[in-house]
Amino acid sequence: AQKVTQAQTEISVVEKEDVTLDCVYETRDTTYYLFWYKQPPSGELVFLIRRNSFDEQNEISGRYSWNFQKSTSSFNFTITASQVVDSAVYFCALSEVGDSSYKLIFGSGTRLLVRP
Amino acid sequence: ETGVTQSPTHLIKTRGQQVTLRCSSQSGHNTVSWYQQALGQGPQFIFQYYREEENGRGNFPPRFSGLQFPNYSSELNVNALELDDSALYLCASSPVPQWAGNTIYFGEGSWLTVV
Repeated sequence: AQKVTQAQTEISVVEKEDVTLDCVYETRDTTYYLFWYKQPPSGELVFLIRRNSFDEQNEISGRYSWNFQKSTSSFNFTITASQVVDSAVYFCALSEVGDSSYKLIFGSGTRLLVRP
Repeated sequence: ETGVTQSPTHLIKTRGQQVTLRCSSQSGHNTVSWYQQALGQGPQFIFQYYREEENGRGNFPPRFSGLQFPNYSSELNVNALELDDSALYLCASSPVPQWAGNTIYFGEGSWLTVV
């Protein structure tokens, strides 16, 4: 069965520290997509990145980077030099090509608090 | 700014009542999905509509129903409200053609409290 696990419920760091949010997934599909979304207090889910199962290259976007490792079924997200504005709940999600609805399966989220 | 707008933002209902939540998607986004997010949890897929027909449903009872209209708007209806229905309801849209790699755009949600 498909599943996404975010074991870290809450992380608290001081501004400018680096922080890594963990994501482990389970799927029987060979073709799937992984996503990260940010949810600020307003509630809207903000898309951060999409990765397909055939592309294991790490990606960097400014202070954000993502490490996809198929061998360990992990898709971790690192924020370098964290800022107070990074405080939010972050969700990892999975979408399977074999699922006709292509629904997103979310983890339970990691709440990140960046203190000044 | 995702172009997905939802209304109302917040509402309080009594157990047993019915509620209708509304969503307006971006032009050209023919697929709309609804998710329920209970406090402290990740969003859970309720159902999806494509070209005004239901195209996938999660583990939710029939009292959760929906409609999609040609003008890129949609509704989520919940009958016989229960206390556990208290949650943030998120509408999401994506462009045609629908596929697993589409970026799905979410609205800010409707916070429903059932008392």
